[in-house]
Amino acid sequence: AQTVTQSQPEMSVQEAETVTLSCTYDTSESDYYLFWYKQPPSRQMILVIRQEAYKQQNATENRFSVNFQKAAKSFSLKISDSQLGDAAMYFCAYRSANAGGTSYGKLTFGQGTILTVHP
Amino acid sequence: ETGVTQTPRHLVMGMTNKKSLKCEQHLGHNAMYWYKQSAKKPLELMFVYNFKEQTENNSVPSRFSPECPNSSHLFLHLHTLQPEDSALYLCASSQGASLTYEQYFGPGTRLTVT
Repeated sequence: AQTVTQSQPEMSVQEAETVTLSCTYDTSESDYYLFWYKQPPSRQMILVIRQEAYKQQNATENRFSVNFQKAAKSFSLKISDSQLGDAAMYFCAYRSANAGGTSYGKLTFGQGTILTVHP
Repeated sequence: ETGVTQTPRHLVMGMTNKKSLKCEQHLGHNAMYWYKQSAKKPLELMFVYNFKEQTENNSVPSRFSPECPNSSHLFLHLHTLQPEDSALYLCASSQGASLTYEQYFGPGTRLTVT
């Protein structure tokens, strides 16, 4: 079974600075997808960025980028030029690429990291 | 808003009550999901429905009973719950249960069992 670990329960950053959220995962599969989701207080969870394991290039979405280290099973999220609206709980998630397996469509989440942005 | 709505947003129920959570998606999706989010624990997948058929039951106790009458609606019927069932219950939908489709989440129902 796959597991996802976020070792930082809480992180904080000053507005306009950069912060990196850590995520590690454990899997025996070679093909999979990784995601970062953002859950603002009392608001819906939304997808921030996704990474296909077969792609070596790190995904980037505007101020959000990842550092995907497949051999180390590490998938960190970097938020540049942090804004007050970035304050939220961030979840790292794993999805198997094994369409025939029992985990079809299943997202496995980490425990989450609460990010506080200071003005 | 992501096009997935959930009602009620908050629910307090006793252990002998019967209640239902409702999820509706306005995105034309074919797959719907129930997740449980407990404090200081990762989100746990409970059920997956793909084209109204249940494709996953993640060892969920029978006091939780899902129902998917059509691709737009998903219910979670609750009866004789325990205090440890108190959590945020999230609904999600995706175009299909295939891996490549992004899951869109609803705002959740905050459930408190007394």
